[in-house]
Amino acid sequence: EIVLTQSPGILSLSPGERATLSCRASQSVRSNYLAWYQQKLGQAPRLLIYGASNRATGIPDRFSGSGSGTDFTLTISRLEPEDFAVYYCQRYGGSPITFGQGTRLEIK
Amino acid sequence: QIQLVESGGGVVQPGRSLTLSCAASGFTFSKYGMHWVRQAPGKGLEWLGVIAHDGSVKIYADSVKGRFTFSRDNSKNTLDLQMNTLGAEDAAVYYCAKEPREYSSGWYWENWGQGTLVTVSS
Repeated sequence: EIVLTQSPGILSLSPGERATLSCRASQSVRSNYLAWYQQKLGQAPRLLIYGASNRATGIPDRFSGSGSGTDFTLTISRLEPEDFAVYYCQRYGGSPITFGQGTRLEIK
Repeated sequence: QIQLVESGGGVVQPGRSLTLSCAASGFTFSKYGMHWVRQAPGKGLEWLGVIAHDGSVKIYADSVKGRFTFSRDNSKNTLDLQMNTLGAEDAAVYYCAKEPREYSSGWYWENWGQGTLVTVSS
């Protein structure tokens, strides 16, 4: 099983700042099968990025994903008020599908 | 548009069973694998498993193997999750999620239901 470790656990930033979230895998992620989700309180997760760097439908271009192998990054270039939420990385393409424990992005 | 609507959640006693349903609309249900994911209160996301588009393949996470059963009725566009011998560790919001590609069973999920809450309590 590939274990995903996200850091930091909590990230405190202000609107307009740049956010950098990390996801590290315990083994290389085949074909960069790595996705990122955003989840707000009381809502289902929302797909942001798949294939490590491809934005999902309707996702603003301030969200970008990068990385390969075992190290992946989600970057939000300029934080908007609606971006403060919990973010999860997910490894797919094989069983079991696994998630990181999440990074909470909070307003400073 | 694509809709997934879970139902069947509620309060259940420890050791009892419960069946959740997911009603799908807005796409050709019979062509898509479907997943179940849960989230305990205040915790992260946990994948429970997947059922192939035709129900021929079912893969379960180790945490629920032998206790949970996936099924689907493609004539009614519904997905079921039968949960047996429930314990405190099964209390969570349960989501169904749709594969992004036809006839696939292990990808990311652009479409999720709103979730249904299961509480395990005596």
